[in-house]
Amino acid sequence: ETGVTQSPTHLIKTRGQQVTLRCSSQSGHNTVSWYQQALGQGPQFIFQYYREEENGRGNFPPRFSGLQFPNYSSELNVNALELDDSALYLCASRSSGTPYEQYFGPGTRLTVT
Amino acid sequence: GNSVTQMEGPVTLSEEAFLTINCTYTATGYPSLFWYVQYPGEGLQLLLKATKADDKGSNKGFEATYRKETTSFHLEKGSVQVSDSAVYFCALSENAGNNRKLIWGLGTSLAVNP
Repeated sequence: ETGVTQSPTHLIKTRGQQVTLRCSSQSGHNTVSWYQQALGQGPQFIFQYYREEENGRGNFPPRFSGLQFPNYSSELNVNALELDDSALYLCASRSSGTPYEQYFGPGTRLTVT
Repeated sequence: GNSVTQMEGPVTLSEEAFLTINCTYTATGYPSLFWYVQYPGEGLQLLLKATKADDKGSNKGFEATYRKETTSFHLEKGSVQVSDSAVYFCALSENAGNNRKLIWGLGTSLAVNP
């Protein structure tokens, strides 16, 4: 069974640019959540996708957007990058049948300069 | 809104010492509670969970009991090992349909010395 994978591992972008992060969910998982983890902080919920629809969103501006594909993989897009967007971005997947079991990927470290 | 408060770290212990990491929460309704662990350079891993009051979650020698009366979910281990050095996060899940977003504490760093 393949776990949750994310790409790229690390990324450096300039303020104002756009970035796309990718996540492949664990086999059989139809729900994907994205979290932002700033250095020394706990993760903050960005949004969740279930069957290609966003069905929950945290306190993040619209320049944070996402997609989920028919194979349940997902993308996180961030437009007009700001310095404060520098963080570890985590993807977690789960099955709707096991709502308490979220499995996290290793994350993408984004640095905005 | 819902929130999770963890004891601040870092916590430094000698091998075989007893570990307690305090976690308290504020929530409406009946959340599920979790402990996640993040080893250096790795992603978050679910350590244990409890989905209702008085449940005890346990894994790898770690335990935590869901105490509704004190709104707490303290993590304990009787004898820590060097390999337990990591950051530990307490989290709660709002049980709102399929949108079970996790709300996290700030994390507690644990260093275990040989």
